[in-house]
Amino acid sequence: KAGVTQTPRYLIKTRGQQVTLSCSPISGHRSVSWYQQTPGQGLQFLFEYFSETQRNKGNFPGRFSGRQFSNSRSEMNVSTLELGDSALYLCASSLGLAGTGTGELFFGEGSRLTVL
Amino acid sequence: QKEVEQDPGPLSVPEGAIVSLNCTYSNSAFQYFMWYRQYSRKGPELLMYTYSSGNKEDGRFTAQVDKSSKYISLFIRDSQPSDSATYLCAMQDYKLSFGAGTTVTVRA
Repeated sequence: KAGVTQTPRYLIKTRGQQVTLSCSPISGHRSVSWYQQTPGQGLQFLFEYFSETQRNKGNFPGRFSGRQFSNSRSEMNVSTLELGDSALYLCASSLGLAGTGTGELFFGEGSRLTVL
Repeated sequence: QKEVEQDPGPLSVPEGAIVSLNCTYSNSAFQYFMWYRQYSRKGPELLMYTYSSGNKEDGRFTAQVDKSSKYISLFIRDSQPSDSATYLCAMQDYKLSFGAGTTVTVRA
């Protein structure tokens, strides 16, 4: 069974640019969550999508956005990049919504973004 | 105060030793408790997933949850060099809240 797939794995951008990251969940999983991991802040929740709708959102500025498609694949976008956005962005999929009995999360390997 | 507190270590033990990791939390709404293992440059890998207070065993791994004390633990028996990684506790209400992670090195 294929795991969670994230693309691209590595990317370098400059301040002010925007970036789009992609996540393909485990087959049959309908929920996709996004997390940001940095050495200083650890893992922080960005948002969760379920059935193409954003269900929960973390405490990040509006520059961070996402969407989910009918096949459960998800993308997240960061506009007007800042140096502090350099991080590992992790996608996790689950059968059901996080916080429910089927909310066991499985992570991809992440997309490592460097902002210069 | 962070919702989830975890000693970042690092922790270094000889092969075969028991590794003991723990986290405390403050949010009573947390219902699900997990331990993840993360190797360098990889995503977190789910090790254990528990709901209720008590013990859960899976091979060399034992997870304990004490909701009354808001305290969870992970024990690794007969530790191996391949267990060297960062271990993250995570707790779930509508999202996962992670501890800082404890870096463990098992010396051969």
